[in-house]
Amino acid sequence: DTGVSQDPRHKITKRGQNVTFRCDPISEHNRLYWYRQTLGQGPEFLTYFQNEAQLEKSRLLSDRFSAERPKGSFSTLEIQRTEQGDSAMYLCASSLEGGLGHNEQFFGPGTRLTVL
Amino acid sequence: AQSVAQPEDQVNVAEGNPLTVKCTYSVSGNPYLFWYVQYPNRGLQFLLKYITGDNLVKGSYGFEAEFNKSQTSFHLKKPSALVSDSALYFCAVRDRDRDDKIIFGKGTRLHILP
Repeated sequence: DTGVSQDPRHKITKRGQNVTFRCDPISEHNRLYWYRQTLGQGPEFLTYFQNEAQLEKSRLLSDRFSAERPKGSFSTLEIQRTEQGDSAMYLCASSLEGGLGHNEQFFGPGTRLTVL
Repeated sequence: AQSVAQPEDQVNVAEGNPLTVKCTYSVSGNPYLFWYVQYPNRGLQFLLKYITGDNLVKGSYGFEAEFNKSQTSFHLKKPSALVSDSALYFCAVRDRDRDDKIIFGKGTRLHILP
């Protein structure tokens, strides 16, 4: 399968613990996006990378959230000191952008986080 | 700032009938517009996009969408609905004049009744 993959698919944690999610994009894609989706809502933008550079972060991304894409390939999203409000589906997407910005994003299956 | 509105939380259509899922958008510049579909326990899948040119865009699974600049709309349509079209549909917009993120609507659940 050459699509976007995410690991783990499900994560249950206790409040206050740290969690880390991984996303492997489609190999030739230079852009990688993180979104959060809660029940009844569309994906909310969190952050995105152009190669290894993090170009934008949403105000939703508090200081407890950090994302990296060290070699311009896979990315990790870490949440420190998790809170119950962090419970959501975390989606990763990738795209190949040549500067015009109109290419579609390909989404992974998501990581469902439950904070107890 | 760009935004997307999907005014209907749910749309019910009988199998074989035409369907429409509504979307309106707001951007400061010119838009790129997208439709995605989400099946249960599956990731979002791209359906179609409007970039420029012909206002009627055709996409996957027989879906099409019409870009209407004056009404700032991008409604999704299909001439004859299938039960398998039942899913959650998301409209999304990107400001063409800014190399920026995509903003999604909250989604519309489509139920096709057999």
